[in-house]
Amino acid sequence: DQQVKQNSPSLSVQEGRISILNCDYTNSMFDYFLWYKKYPAEGPTFLISISSIKDKNEDGRFTVFLNKSAKHLSLHIVPSQPGDSAVYFCAARSNSGYALNFGKGTSLLVTP
Amino acid sequence: DTGVSQNPRHKITKRGQNVTFRCDPISEHNRLYWYRQTLGQGPEFLTYFQNEAQLEKSRLLSDRFSAERPKGSFSTLEIQRTEQGDSAMYLCASSLNLVGVIGGYTFGSGTRLTVV
Repeated sequence: DQQVKQNSPSLSVQEGRISILNCDYTNSMFDYFLWYKKYPAEGPTFLISISSIKDKNEDGRFTVFLNKSAKHLSLHIVPSQPGDSAVYFCAARSNSGYALNFGKGTSLLVTP
Repeated sequence: DTGVSQNPRHKITKRGQNVTFRCDPISEHNRLYWYRQTLGQGPEFLTYFQNEAQLEKSRLLSDRFSAERPKGSFSTLEIQRTEQGDSAMYLCASSLNLVGVIGGYTFGSGTRLTVV
């Protein structure tokens, strides 16, 4: 049962524009939400996270927004750069568990 | 510090054989995790160690799978009597604290298993 869903398998954005990656979840017990970036032949790399008590967290070009009532979060990348081209995974965890629940990922392509 | 190291990077084995993977976490990290990733899917949790204690196991970890972390340092994941469905990328990760806003795991590059 997929508790974290990324419904867009791929996204293409022009360099300099905004990339918006979306994620939905079904488990209202999740307390932390994270985004990971993955290049081919490498393991996922932690990007940014947000606690369920917040609705926004910003780190440089990356901002994560959380809408708890809609069980939805999004990752905004502004401005997008060709080096941002990668697969982005959304993940979530509850306070009582150790496991991260991952979505299937969205492949982002930033074109020059 | 060279990060999380996994060996081997690739493993091809015949169905029915046993395989063992090794993970060396970041030295000061006391928490270690194993995940499995199949094509088109996100990583799926397998098991978690805090120091040498295995605290959680996923239902994905059948009786053919066993993981150890002797002395709370490196970890091994063994799969007995491999099946074609075991073909996947096996990812190891480590962290100093529980994953949350303080930061995520550090993943290794994984071991890609192909069962033929």
